[in-house]
Amino acid sequence: AQKVTQAQTEISVVEKEDVTLDCVYETRDTTYYLFWYKQPPSGELVFLIRRNSFDEQNEISGRYSWNFQKSTSSFNFTITASQVVDSAVYFCALSENNAGNMLTFGGGTRLMVKP
Amino acid sequence: GAGVSQSPSNKVTEKGKDVELRCDPISGHTALYWYRQSLGQGLEFLIYFQGNSAPDKSGLPSDRFSAERTGGSVSTLTIQRTQQEDSAVYLCASSYSSYNEQFFGPGTRLTVL
Repeated sequence: AQKVTQAQTEISVVEKEDVTLDCVYETRDTTYYLFWYKQPPSGELVFLIRRNSFDEQNEISGRYSWNFQKSTSSFNFTITASQVVDSAVYFCALSENNAGNMLTFGGGTRLMVKP
Repeated sequence: GAGVSQSPSNKVTEKGKDVELRCDPISGHTALYWYRQSLGQGLEFLIYFQGNSAPDKSGLPSDRFSAERTGGSVSTLTIQRTQQEDSAVYLCASSYSSYNEQFFGPGTRLTVL
């Protein structure tokens, strides 16, 4: 069965610091998808990125970057030069090709960026 | 374009009553999902609809929960004989097809007194 673990329940940084959110997953499927979602205080889940299991290239989008390593079953998320607006709960999620694409979420990491 | 919408945004009910929660997916999205977010259980999958196929109900916690999707668009999640442990935020998501990214609605906060 699939499982996603976000070991960091809460992280606090000062603005402009870099921060990495860890995500480790378990799956028996060879074809799967990994996601990151942001949940700001307003509550709505915002899609950030989707990655398939065959694409291990790292991705950068502005201040956000993602490091996917199949060898360690990890899909970590780094925010460079954090800003107060980055304060939110971040969820890593997994869907399996043979499981109808429902998302299995990690427990989330609450990021607090202080001015 | 319009995102996923859900109604009501908040619902307070008494234990034992039935409730209906509504989801309007993004136009053209064939896949629709219901999830539940609660303090104790985190984000949990409930049910999944893909086109006209039979729904995947594997995440429904009990037979008091049911859902339907009419005309391949709007979906209603029904909870019968609500219990206090049903209190949570119920989230709906849709995607263009299976394996595409899912876009979430704002959720319905259900409080069972």
